[in-house]
Amino acid sequence: QLQLQESGPGLVKPSETLSLICTVSGGSIGGNNYYWGWIRQPPGKGLEWIGNIYSGGSTYYNPSLKSRVTISVDTSKNQFSLKLSSVTAADTAVYYCSRRVELATTTNFDSWGQGTLVTVSS
Amino acid sequence: QTVVTQEPSFSVSPGGTVTLTCGLSSGSVSSSFYPSWFQQTPGQAPRTLIHSTNGRSSGVPDRFSGSILGNTAALTITGAQADDESDYYCVLYMGSGIWVFGGGTKLTVL
Repeated sequence: QLQLQESGPGLVKPSETLSLICTVSGGSIGGNNYYWGWIRQPPGKGLEWIGNIYSGGSTYYNPSLKSRVTISVDTSKNQFSLKLSSVTAADTAVYYCSRRVELATTTNFDSWGQGTLVTVSS
Repeated sequence: QTVVTQEPSFSVSPGGTVTLTCGLSSGSVSSSFYPSWFQQTPGQAPRTLIHSTNGRSSGVPDRFSGSILGNTAALTITGAQADDESDYYCVLYMGSGIWVFGGGTKLTVL
């Protein structure tokens, strides 16, 4: 069974770069039809799609975050990562990694990590 | 910017049926938006219930169903149970690789 696990610092200073890694186990990150992505949830608020990366390398980002976000894949480590620059307190959230499987007529966010809380504070 | 709309809250009696909706601030939702629905309880990661309008995810009971109702996507829970009390989110595909979540619906079973 596929498992995703987020890791990274739980505390980031304002104006610095938030960096998280999602480690994939139980399956290959390099398979066809897979989109690996990040979703966040500020405390007490709703979910926000950050972006994703196709296993072939194409990236898609939330327009409101696009200037600050980079998502990349390391197939040798079966990991993908999130970098969010110039963070502020508004970026404090639980960050989830996920997989979306896209087939001919369906697309399914079929796997989620457990989430990791990142707090932006000096 | 198009906003994805959901009822902020809803209540249902145990054993009852409830339909939650997912709409657009401008325009109609169709299957080409590939609506998905997620259930989330406090402190837990979201759980995917429905994908691509009406595809039920693995292990999801068949009392959860998805559809297009009028100009919205809909999640119907038939025979509501106490442990269905959760937050429910929808997400829609806006094209160009972009996805947008709705604000979520807090469902109370009482």
